[in-house]
Amino acid sequence: QKEVEQDPGPLSVPEGAIVSLNCTYSNSAFQYFMWYRQYSRKGPELLMYTYSSGNKEDGRFTAQVDKSSKYISLFIRDSQPSDSATYLCAMRPNAGNMLTFGGGTRLMVKP
Amino acid sequence: EAGVTQSPTHLIKTRGQQATLRCSPISGHTSVYWYQQALGLGLQFLLWYDEGEERNRGNFPPRFSGRQFPNYSSELNVNALELEDSALYLCASSLRQGAAETQYFGPGTRLLVL
Repeated sequence: QKEVEQDPGPLSVPEGAIVSLNCTYSNSAFQYFMWYRQYSRKGPELLMYTYSSGNKEDGRFTAQVDKSSKYISLFIRDSQPSDSATYLCAMRPNAGNMLTFGGGTRLMVKP
Repeated sequence: EAGVTQSPTHLIKTRGQQATLRCSPISGHTSVYWYQQALGLGLQFLLWYDEGEERNRGNFPPRFSGRQFPNYSSELNVNALELEDSALYLCASSLRQGAAETQYFGPGTRLLVL
């Protein structure tokens, strides 16, 4: 079993929809949680960064962390065709800098 | 401010050859990380360098090696290339500020082994 599980999709939604992307993990030592967006043939771009449990909002994006359930989510409101990309969750413990990534969810937002 | 840069963008090699990939971190960043993104395997941590020293290594064979130069740029070397080494190799950099470093990625080098 992988340390971080993420539904690979693809997830197809109409423009304007609310998108929910999720990851589950098994390592209780993970304390820092990130969401990256990766366009085709590009490097990952950091979207959201959270520490421990709770919510964080940035524009149309909201990140949620539930450490008791070992579950993190990224919500995208008013989705746009430009949001079409692969979304990667990543996490790491307090000690050490190595990021552990989920496999990525491919999102397609149709006009 | 320039982001993380990597060269070359594409590299084609044959089995058994050696590949050298280069990375320049964001100005002021001292830590450099290398990841492999192979089809179907996702992003996997390879190596972490900070202040010229190798700090951590992922679950990869010794033929994957690298170094960090005094200007904090880094080089990844892959010896005795195998077909399964074909992947996107991503470099990331961060400030060394305790436990809250954020890693910023470059565009990657796409390595194809024939």
